[in-house]
Amino acid sequence: EADIYQTPRYLVIGTGKKITLECSQTMGHDKMYWYQQDPGMELHLIHYSYGVNSTEKGDLSSESTVSRIRTEHFPLTLESARPSHTSQYLCASQQGEKRETQYFGPGTRLLVL
Amino acid sequence: ILNVEQSPQSLHVQEGDSTNFTCSFPSSNFYALHWYRWETAKSPEALFVMTLNGDEKKKGRISATLNTKEGYSYLYIKGSQPEDSATYLCAFKSGGSNYKLTFGKGTLLTVNP
Repeated sequence: EADIYQTPRYLVIGTGKKITLECSQTMGHDKMYWYQQDPGMELHLIHYSYGVNSTEKGDLSSESTVSRIRTEHFPLTLESARPSHTSQYLCASQQGEKRETQYFGPGTRLLVL
Repeated sequence: ILNVEQSPQSLHVQEGDSTNFTCSFPSSNFYALHWYRWETAKSPEALFVMTLNGDEKKKGRISATLNTKEGYSYLYIKGSQPEDSATYLCAFKSGGSNYKLTFGKGTLLTVNP
């Protein structure tokens, strides 16, 4: 079983609030990813990191930002939440070669009122 | 933009039935094809990583085949059980230097007792 954690699991928050979704892994993986999924849709990559102090935007444009100060930690921040940010956010990590699997956290379901 | 299609979108079967579903992906610049099982309220769980044309992988009652020349993979479940109920995701990885996965929308399998 993969050791990758996300908190909170569920979050209901008002418009304009700043939120941070936490993701941490204890496997020492250098590559980490954030995906966004709306109901009935694909997982879309919004951010990724190949190591400490390395972050890149993914294929889907997102108003969120990420940081990677430590290998095990990859938080995602929304400075001012809006209803359009309502979605499910999944974090994943990967080690080694490209063919290696990505291990996923359980996700955070965000509802912005 | 890479296009990964899964069919059917959803499937209802009776316990004991065998079933299969399809993942279609670009046949050019192929690197790997991943299958995941995602149960409600849990983390997506890796099933298979397939890299070679003609690959067949098996895990218990679940197996998968790969045809990279025509761009499809089949996932088979033999003797479905209620605990097999989940969304089955496939994800395509192209060649090149990046590690990104492109996901399909998934097939939602419901196995009725």
